Amino acid sequence: GQQLNQSPQSMFIQEGEDVSMNCTSSSIFNTWLWYKQDPGEGPVLLIALYKAGELTSNGRLTAQFGITRKDSFLNISASIPSDVGIYFCAGQLPGNRDDKIIFGKGTRLHILP
Amino acid sequence: GAGVSQTPSNKVTEKGKYVELRCDPISGHTALYWYRQSLGQGPEFLIYFQGTGAADDSGLPNDRFFAVRPEGSVSTLKIQRTERGDSAVYLCASSSLAGTTGELFFGEGSRLTVL
Repeated sequence: GQQLNQSPQSMFIQEGEDVSMNCTSSSIFNTWLWYKQDPGEGPVLLIALYKAGELTSNGRLTAQFGITRKDSFLNISASIPSDVGIYFCAGQLPGNRDDKIIFGKGTRLHILP
Repeated sequence: GAGVSQTPSNKVTEKGKYVELRCDPISGHTALYWYRQSLGQGPEFLIYFQGTGAADDSGLPNDRFFAVRPEGSVSTLKIQRTERGDSAVYLCASSSLAGTTGELFFGEGSRLTVL
């Protein structure tokens, strides 16, 4: 079945450092999405990517839709304490009416004091 | 309402019991999704509604799980003969235009614990 492989599983960084995480799949996706989840909350959309090769920024966040449509990365620059949380990549599968969106297992970001 | 509302926020039940989880989507959103999230995992797709009909229910794990959305708004996820392995957070999300932006608005989830 379709699976999204996220790496790394977790990251421990110092405040101010840049962060990079990625997501790969054996399936082609029409849309790549990056969500963030805080404890006790549902995921919230950070960035959506719709075209192969697309590079999109949202403040300190930058994400790219891989050329092969099978991968994406998310970068966070100059991390701050509120960046702590779980980051999920998600993909929307191609198909006439299939709007199913599947999620990776997440990258847990920790900021060391 | 302002956001997606899920009730109950917490449900503790005994093995073998029947459970209903409710989702009230953002007003006007036509698409509604149910996901299940186990500890340390990402949201696992269960079922997706476009209006009143289930457009894709391929993620429902077995026939103990069923979901309805009779009037195209509120949805109920029903779990029969609950098992300990059903314990998880059940997330509901809604979207205004299915198949376009991929932006899902999630509720805070219903945490189900089966003893």
